[in-house]
Amino acid sequence: GAVVSQHPSWVICKSGTSVKIECRSLDFQATTMFWYRQFPKQSLMLMATSNEGSKATYEQGVEKDKFLINHASLTLSTLTVTSAHPEDSSFYICSAGGTSGSNEQFFGPGTRLTVL
Amino acid sequence: LAKTTQPISMDSYEGQEVNITCSHNNIATNDYITWYQQFPSQGPRFIIQGYKTKVTNEVASLFIPADRKSSTLSLPRVSLSDTAVYYCLVVKGSDYKLSFGAGTTVTVRA
Repeated sequence: GAVVSQHPSWVICKSGTSVKIECRSLDFQATTMFWYRQFPKQSLMLMATSNEGSKATYEQGVEKDKFLINHASLTLSTLTVTSAHPEDSSFYICSAGGTSGSNEQFFGPGTRLTVL
Repeated sequence: LAKTTQPISMDSYEGQEVNITCSHNNIATNDYITWYQQFPSQGPRFIIQGYKTKVTNEVASLFIPADRKSSTLSLPRVSLSDTAVYYCLVVKGSDYKLSFGAGTTVTVRA
């Protein structure tokens, strides 16, 4: 199956700094990628839809100025958490799909963000 | 997207069959039923998808009654490595957007 990677797998940063997370589709092109956030013992929450070559679409309640998404190519989407605070500590997961006419989503391994 | 309801948790033993039932009363005509599996600190993984009747692959079976208001994921002869959270989702055929519910935590014991 298709492979999606994320980098870094984990990151620890100080409060107030910005962190960039990369999501890559390794063996297929993805015009659309999705970003999710998952807190401990909770389900995945969709944050935004990343569209190649255009602005991302954010879910209700997600601050677009805090979570910057860039989808500059068909294989790369980035999520930047700006001015991170401890409450932003979470597991961030991206997904891509839509290959071969299927709506199956392929998920990245996730990025664990800890803000001190 | 149709809301789904599934049990919070289920316990089983190695070698047994595990059946997880999901309710989706408001499913629409062009919606598909999809199941994902997630291990701790990993991204979810697609298990199976179906529209009606029965679908089987190398991992699981999915049973969907005629009214499509529920579905049952069947995991045959589970092992310890099947311990995970299983999510039932209703997905529009032309859409890639997923809305995850609480999921069912399946714990397999030796």
